[in-house]
Amino acid sequence: GENVGLHLPTLSVQEGDNSIINCAYSNSASDYFIWYKQESGKGPQFIIDIRSNMDKRQGQRVTVLLNKTVKHLSLQIAATQPGDSAVYFCASPMKTSYDKVIFGPGTSLSVIP
Amino acid sequence: SQTIHQWPATLVQPVGSPLSLECTVEGTSNPNLYWYRQAAGRGLQLLFYSVGIGQISSEVPQNLSASRPQDRQFILSSKKLLLSDSGFYLCAWRAWEGANTEAFFGQGTRLTVV
Repeated sequence: GENVGLHLPTLSVQEGDNSIINCAYSNSASDYFIWYKQESGKGPQFIIDIRSNMDKRQGQRVTVLLNKTVKHLSLQIAATQPGDSAVYFCASPMKTSYDKVIFGPGTSLSVIP
Repeated sequence: SQTIHQWPATLVQPVGSPLSLECTVEGTSNPNLYWYRQAAGRGLQLLFYSVGIGQISSEVPQNLSASRPQDRQFILSSKKLLLSDSGFYLCAWRAWEGANTEAFFGQGTRLTVV
């Protein structure tokens, strides 16, 4: 079935280190991927997106890498800060219906001061 | 700029009671609208989405329903709540043009059915 899934449910990182959050996707995912950050008790917020014609895209302290060969994308956070503690989701519209946006189960990132 | 409003923020309802959660979007026209549910410590489950007034697609059969009476209004309802309906409900909007657009979320409603 349609799925945008994550490898690790939890991740603990020392403050100042880099964080890498992974996501695997199935054939039914479209060619557009989005990373969201959700802080406790709040709605998810857009972080960065990437289209399939790109392998890498950089934002402020964040980089998304897309490997279409193995259907894998990752979110890298540089110099992780306590404010980065949150749940991170990858998401993608479905190839068969771009109106449907499906989310992975999420990775909970904890930053250790 | 576009904004999305979702209310109430928290809600405690007895089993068997009705439910109505409302979501409105400002600053955009003809958005795609979505209702997601999130169980504690879990991901987002797509419940309903709508591409236009009166058009509702249901993803998960359950005792919930959705309606879109106006272009920028999306309502999630239930006639009789179950304990299993407890969760964090999120409304989202997305521009209608094409696949490569992100969704923007409201702040969510924490529903506890007791």
